[in-house]
Amino acid sequence: GAVVSQHPSWVICKSGTSVKIECRSLDFQATTMFWYRQFPKQSLMLMATSNEGSKATYEQGVEKDKFLINHASLTLSTLTVTSAHPEDSSFYICSARDPNLNQHYNEQFFGPGTRLTVL
Amino acid sequence: QKEVEQDPGPLSVPEGAIVSLNCTYSNSAFQYFMWYRQYSRKGPELLMYTYSSGNKEDGRFTAQVDKSSKYISLFIRDSQPSDSATYLCAMTKAAGNKLTFGGGTRVLVKP
Repeated sequence: GAVVSQHPSWVICKSGTSVKIECRSLDFQATTMFWYRQFPKQSLMLMATSNEGSKATYEQGVEKDKFLINHASLTLSTLTVTSAHPEDSSFYICSARDPNLNQHYNEQFFGPGTRLTVL
Repeated sequence: QKEVEQDPGPLSVPEGAIVSLNCTYSNSAFQYFMWYRQYSRKGPELLMYTYSSGNKEDGRFTAQVDKSSKYISLFIRDSQPSDSATYLCAMTKAAGNKLTFGGGTRVLVKP
């Protein structure tokens, strides 16, 4: 099946610094990737939809200048949390769709997540 | 009011029992209904998806959708300790659209 990886799996940073998280589709080309945030014991909240070669579409309430998304290639999307603060500490998960799969549903394949802790 | 409601649990059952999970939703435009399993500190894994109303069975898992009641269910038969995880329902209006998730139900299957 399709595999999505994330790097790093966990990161600790100081308040005010920026952190970059990578999301890669390993065995398929993903024209669309999604970025989610999940707080402890809560569900996944979609942050933005990332389309290769174009600007990301952010969900209401998500600051696009704080959460920079770049989808420069068909296998890589990055999320940069700029000037991170303790309230940004969360579990960040990406997902990707394989447009070549002949599926009625067009499944999203999820990465393993990145745990960010801002001190 | 959230678009998708799901009891957070935890739901504790003995090994071998049937696990019954459900979600309710408010948006009648949802057409595709999914169930994901998420182990602690891991990404979600798709278990089943159903299009529109009806039942679907896959091994020990059965998914049911009742669009008239805006209610979906997942049943896990012969539950195993390895089924202990958080189960998330999700739904979308059209294939390829963004997913709307429920809050997840934590399930614990005791040996």
